[in-house]
Amino acid sequence: EAGVTQFPSHSVIEKGQTVTLRCDPISGHDNLYWYRRVMGKEIKFLLHFVKESKQDESGMPNNRFLAERTGGTYSTLKVQPAELEDSGVYFCASSPLRGDPYNEQFFGPGTRLTVL
Amino acid sequence: GDSVTQMEGPVTLSEEAFLTINCTYTATGYPSLFWYVQYPGEGLQLLLKATKADDKGSNKGFEATYRKETTSFHLEKGSVQVSDSAVYFCALSFNFGNEKLTFGTGTRLTIIP
Repeated sequence: EAGVTQFPSHSVIEKGQTVTLRCDPISGHDNLYWYRRVMGKEIKFLLHFVKESKQDESGMPNNRFLAERTGGTYSTLKVQPAELEDSGVYFCASSPLRGDPYNEQFFGPGTRLTVL
Repeated sequence: GDSVTQMEGPVTLSEEAFLTINCTYTATGYPSLFWYVQYPGEGLQLLLKATKADDKGSNKGFEATYRKETTSFHLEKGSVQVSDSAVYFCALSFNFGNEKLTFGTGTRLTIIP
């Protein structure tokens, strides 16, 4: 079974440009999460989808970030326009809607974003 | 809000040494607690978990006990190997993992032969 995949693995852009990150969860996983780790600090939650609906977007830093999950499958996270402080590693994770008895979140390898 | 504080790194140990990485948490209610590990070039993997007080999680020789009285979940291993070199993250979550994970800052561990 394929794991969580993320694309691209690395992205280098200039301040003001737009970048779109993609996450493909494990097939059948309805929960999808986005996290990021900035400057070697703690990994911080961004948002949580259940199928195509945003369950919790309390971690989204500002309106330059837009996440979508059309059809409840893959998800995209767009940053527009990118700022220097957006540099970091963006992780995606997925889990089934009902675990037995616990829902482990499975993580992708991350996308390293560098904004110059 | 909820938070996790873990031991600052980096930590360097010799092979076969005893490992402790401290983790304490602040949370309203009773979270589930986790240790995740990130090996070089890979994504995060769940190492072990505990879902209630006094539970002990264990995997690959690592252990951690959920201590409600000290709000701690310290990671231990009796004899580390070079292959244990990685970044270790302590985390908490509610609702049996259906909600967001709150992570600590991570501890980079390097084991030298």
